[in-house]
Amino acid sequence: QKEVEQDPGPLSVPEGAIVSLNCTYSNSAFQYFMWYRQYSRKGPELLMYTYSSGNKEDGRFTAQVDKSSKYISLFIRDSQPSDSATYLCATMDSNYQLIWGAGTKLIIKP
Amino acid sequence: DGGITQSPKYLFRKEGQNVTLSCEQNLNHDAMYWYRQDPGQGLRLIYYSQIVNDFQKGDIAEGYSVSREKKESFPLTVTSAQKNPTAFYLCASSTLDRGKTGYNEQFFGPGTRLTVL
Repeated sequence: QKEVEQDPGPLSVPEGAIVSLNCTYSNSAFQYFMWYRQYSRKGPELLMYTYSSGNKEDGRFTAQVDKSSKYISLFIRDSQPSDSATYLCATMDSNYQLIWGAGTKLIIKP
Repeated sequence: DGGITQSPKYLFRKEGQNVTLSCEQNLNHDAMYWYRQDPGQGLRLIYYSQIVNDFQKGDIAEGYSVSREKKESFPLTVTSAQKNPTAFYLCASSTLDRGKTGYNEQFFGPGTRLTVL
């Protein structure tokens, strides 16, 4: 079993829809959770990070962590074609190294 | 204009050849990392370095080598011992100080796509 599981998609939604991207993780000791966005043929860039449980909001983006179910989510409101990218979830192990999900390819159709 | 540069953007290698991928950063970061990315898989750590002249193996170090002679530079050599080197290679850097957040953001370069012919 991978430590972080993420459906690679692709996920295709119409412009303006609410997008929900999800990951599960196996180790209850993980405390930090990150979402990176990667455009085609580019390096990933940090979108949001959260510590422990709860929600964090930044503009149209909301990151949510549910430690009881080991489930992390990223919601995108009013999705735009420019949001089309691969979204990678990650967590940090006890050696401060990142453990990555496979990434979900998101396509926003105009 | 700070950032991480990787070169070349595309690289073609014949079987049996060693190739070296360049990574340079001017962010004054102590830590540097090399990842490999394959379709449908997450990033996998090859090597990382937290200080000049020192580096540690990641999860998939076999067939790769690195050096860290300068703080700004962390080149990766893909040797002929790497059985399946065709992939997208990403270099990243970060500070070591986790500060108030407890997390060191990793900043990535644009990547090098290596293809074995």
